[in-house]
Amino acid sequence: DTGVSQNPRHKITKRGQNVTFRCDPISEHNRLYWYRQTLGQGPEFLTYFQNEAQLEKSRLLSDRFSAERPKGSFSTLEIQRTEQGDSAMYLCASTQAGAGEKLFFGSGTQLSVL
Amino acid sequence: ELKVEQNPLFLSMQEGKNYTIYCNYSTTSDRLYWYRQDPGKSLESLFVLLSNGAVKQEGRLMASLDTKARLSTLHITAAVHDLSATYFCAASNTGNQFYFGTGTSLTVIP
Repeated sequence: DTGVSQNPRHKITKRGQNVTFRCDPISEHNRLYWYRQTLGQGPEFLTYFQNEAQLEKSRLLSDRFSAERPKGSFSTLEIQRTEQGDSAMYLCASTQAGAGEKLFFGSGTQLSVL
Repeated sequence: ELKVEQNPLFLSMQEGKNYTIYCNYSTTSDRLYWYRQDPGKSLESLFVLLSNGAVKQEGRLMASLDTKARLSTLHITAAVHDLSATYFCAASNTGNQFYFGTGTSLTVIP
């Protein structure tokens, strides 16, 4: 069990650019979540997958955000045309449905939009 | 959408003292989670509470759940410096989405 892995750890980009983050969950976990966290706040739900199906997406999530989980393994989160307000820590978590759903979090990707 | 509120938001306490962090949630939830986050680090699971009246203890931390009052508590006994961190509770009413509180930043002073 190597834990949840996220890459990159840090990303600095200019406003208007596209960015993509990757998350590798714990291998036997069928659920994968993306959260966003800003300083002094709790994690805010973005979306989640069960296997390869994206089952829920936050209503607050802009159309500029898209996530995929091809083959039900790793996931990517893409932000198009980044804005300064997108600056945050993006956290990925995984769990096995039906096992109490305790989330295992990765170390996150810190995004800074200049 | 399930709303989760924690209080206090900031807590400064002396070593050796006891204190309780409160977590209220807005609608029915049959499961409640507590996480710890150290500065610059990710979240680490502390407790999973899956039924009314559930009580879990680990070291100096004890968590409980009252689903009728929509309240969970995290009790700290004889605090030590190593407990300094931010503590989050999270509730779920379906087991699918998890809603987090804003966190309680705990500082234990020698």
